[in-house]
Amino acid sequence: DTGVSQNPRHKITKRGQNVTFRCDPISEHNRLYWYRQTLGQGPEFLTYFQNEAQLEKSRLLSDRFSAERPKGSFSTLEIQRTEQGDSAMYLCASSGLTGDLETQYFGPGTRLLVL
Amino acid sequence: GEDVEQSLFLSVREGDSSVINCTYTDSSSTYLYWYKQEPGAGLQLLTYIFSNMDMKQDQRLTVLLNKKDKHLSLRIADTQTGDSAIYFCAESPNTGGFKTIFGAGTRLFVKA
Repeated sequence: DTGVSQNPRHKITKRGQNVTFRCDPISEHNRLYWYRQTLGQGPEFLTYFQNEAQLEKSRLLSDRFSAERPKGSFSTLEIQRTEQGDSAMYLCASSGLTGDLETQYFGPGTRLLVL
Repeated sequence: GEDVEQSLFLSVREGDSSVINCTYTDSSSTYLYWYKQEPGAGLQLLTYIFSNMDMKQDQRLTVLLNKKDKHLSLRIADTQTGDSAIYFCAESPNTGGFKTIFGAGTRLFVKA
């Protein structure tokens, strides 16, 4: 397994367009997370899944954002009617037990620029 | 609410020790972490400490936790140019969920 992968790595879009990002977690991990990271800040939690169930959502996740994990494997994050403030790095992580710690492994991120 | 604060920059000479500090607000945090982020790469977990510990050593890394003051530090001994990166302090609040709260990161510059 090569770790968590995310596609695309970069996305440039015009304001008002919809975008969709994909995350492929480490195969044996049943938890998957989405974070957003803006310049000069740490990652901010958006949402997390256990298998296909979305168990927690941040208030940062407005109605324009939707995340799915239909079969408990890969996940998608869609942003509708993008705004310039959505420009950020979107990070995905998956977790599994390492000893007694639930360790999160991060993907390289998808950098979104909304013009 | 939950908050994690760190200084933004640290510059050290190669071979010296680096100490990166962090304060957090959630006294119910179970785990406290240090992550490293290099340009173009995802976050990498460096080390972690349970909230019932006060020190953890892992090769060149030493983590100190002062739970009373809610202060966490990461010491890197014999800092190398390859240690130049952004270091994030993070906590898992004991809310029953699995979200992790990150600080804004400390950018470490190592001068040769």
